[in-house]
Amino acid sequence: DAGITQSPRYKITETGRQVTLMCHQTWSHSYMFWYRQDLGHGLRLIYYSAAADITDKGEVPDGYVVSRSKTENFPLTLESATRSQTSVYFCASSEPGQGNTIYFGEGSWLTVV
Amino acid sequence: AQSVTQLGSHVSVSEGALVLLRCNYSSSVPPYLFWYVQYPNQGLQLLLKYTTGATLVKGINGFEAEFKKSETSFHLTKPSAHMSDAAEYFCAVSMDTGRRALTFGSGTRLQVQP
Repeated sequence: DAGITQSPRYKITETGRQVTLMCHQTWSHSYMFWYRQDLGHGLRLIYYSAAADITDKGEVPDGYVVSRSKTENFPLTLESATRSQTSVYFCASSEPGQGNTIYFGEGSWLTVV
Repeated sequence: AQSVTQLGSHVSVSEGALVLLRCNYSSSVPPYLFWYVQYPNQGLQLLLKYTTGATLVKGINGFEAEFKKSETSFHLTKPSAHMSDAAEYFCAVSMDTGRRALTFGSGTRLQVQP
């Protein structure tokens, strides 16, 4: 039972470069989410998706792009990375009717230098 | 709009002592409430959740939480702390409609002293 797989787990990139964080889930959950975790802020929602080809902004979407061409994949792209995007990124998924329980991946640690 | 406040960014208890982590929420409608735990360099694991029904919810690892609507609280407790409980704990709220995303508190780091 693979669940949610994120890749890469660790990444160092330079300011201005494009970076894509991958997320794959094996449960066929309808909803998928991207959160970032920063000290003192808990987790904040970047983008979410209710189904394939349906995405919407969360609290902190600026500088990020998402797509969802297939139910199981939800990549997050930083179009031009900035130091303020240094963070831990978590992908998550859920299925309506399961008490809205959201399941998280192991996280991707991104450092922008 | 929903929000979650966790009182105390750091809590330290002795092994065997009571653990109490506080969480208050604001929501215009009855929410779903969650506690997640995060161990170092890992993702978030669900401890327990409240959706409807019984207001005292039991979770994994001996934790429980009580939903008090009048106080808009969902405090997490464990009668006797264990060294393995040392971790970061997050309270979160969501709705069963709309975007269904979790809104998190800023977290409480629990230290357990021997």
